[in-house]
Amino acid sequence: NAGVTQTPKFQVLKTGQSMTLQCAQDMNHEYMSWYRQDPGMGLRLIHYSVGAGITDQGEVPNGYNVSRSTTEDFPLRLLSAAPSQTSVYFCASSYVPGESDTQYFGPGTRLTVL
Amino acid sequence: AQSVTQLGSHVSVSEGALVLLRCNYSSSVPPYLFWYVQYPNQGLQLLLKYTSAATLVKGINGFEAEFKKSETSFHLTKPSAHMSDAAEYFCAVSRSGTASKLTFGTGTRLQVTL
Repeated sequence: NAGVTQTPKFQVLKTGQSMTLQCAQDMNHEYMSWYRQDPGMGLRLIHYSVGAGITDQGEVPNGYNVSRSTTEDFPLRLLSAAPSQTSVYFCASSYVPGESDTQYFGPGTRLTVL
Repeated sequence: AQSVTQLGSHVSVSEGALVLLRCNYSSSVPPYLFWYVQYPNQGLQLLLKYTSAATLVKGINGFEAEFKKSETSFHLTKPSAHMSDAAEYFCAVSRSGTASKLTFGTGTRLQVTL
């Protein structure tokens, strides 16, 4: 199993551009989520999904869209990039949306918005 | 709302010394608590988790943590530090019924010196 994969690893955008961060998992996990990591702030939940066709907002959803058309994929869309979205983005998945279930994290995407 | 506080953004220990990383939680219901480790330029990896089965939890790489309800703490310890333990450590909490949404602390960077 490849686990949780994310592409690209690095991306530089100009303010106002749009892009999609890709996340895929091959573990048949129902639950997937996106976090952003900023210095001194830990990781904050952006959006999450408890199964195909079901998504919900996390702590910091503004400026981001998600959809979940398949169990495997959970892309994160930036509609109009802003410098405040410069961050490292992590995708995570777990088998069932249980509160004690282990989440598996991808390697991250480092995004810079100029 | 639940939260975690990690005391000390940077901790430095000598190789062979005790490692103690502090985490206090705030939750109105019994929490599920996690410690994750992040090595440079990598994603997060689960070290251990508390799910109410036992108050002393043993994890990977010789780490363990003790859940103390009276102190609302879940400190991470390792008897003898190794150079390979140098990384950033995150404490996280999820609350029953929140579908694995994790709330992370701000992280503690562990430095191990010779």
